[in-house]
Amino acid sequence: QLQLQESGPGLVKPSETLSLTCTVSGGSISSTSHFWGWIRQPPGKGLEWIGNIFNSGSTYYNPSLKSRVTISDDRSKNQFSLKLSSVTAADTAVYYCARVWFGSYFDYWGQGTLVTVSS
Amino acid sequence: EIVLTQSPGILSLSPGERATLSCRASQSVYDRYLAWYQQKPGQAPRLLIYGASTRATGIPDRFSGSGSGTDFTLTISRLEPEDFAVYFCQQYGSAPALTFGGGTKVEIK
Repeated sequence: QLQLQESGPGLVKPSETLSLTCTVSGGSISSTSHFWGWIRQPPGKGLEWIGNIFNSGSTYYNPSLKSRVTISDDRSKNQFSLKLSSVTAADTAVYYCARVWFGSYFDYWGQGTLVTVSS
Repeated sequence: EIVLTQSPGILSLSPGERATLSCRASQSVYDRYLAWYQQKPGQAPRLLIYGASTRATGIPDRFSGSGSGTDFTLTISRLEPEDFAVYFCQQYGSAPALTFGGGTKVEIK
């Protein structure tokens, strides 16, 4: 059974960089059938797609976040990561990692991790 | 960017009733590339439907999806107590750009 687990600091200061890692078990991120993605959800609000990474390291980002986002992977550890720079309070959210079926819909999700931006 | 608008924002119903949730797109969604998710408090979303009408693995047949173009519907034929949750639609017709709707909360009346 595929499982995803987010990890990283729960508190980030304004203007700093948010960094999260998603560890995948029960499957390989090197699969050519799947993308791997990040989604976030501010408290009490809806879902926002952040970006995806695919097999060869190709990345696709939400245009509204593109200037601040970097998604990378480490296939030796079966992990992929998110970096979001210059954060503000508006970036406070639960961050989810997920498997993306052929870059389309999200079929497996991590449990999510709350990141709060505050000094 | 395709904007998805879900209505109503809140749907108050009793167990056993039929729920009809709407997702309207700002432009036509290519090839019915639309998914639905269920989210319960404190949990990650769960995929219910993809391709507008195909149920994901393990999803009960009381959940059904329909629609095409700009108008899509998620129907829960008879609400069970565990179905009270928030539901989101998501389009992937403009992949790699993906967007979600704002959600509909189905609450107990």
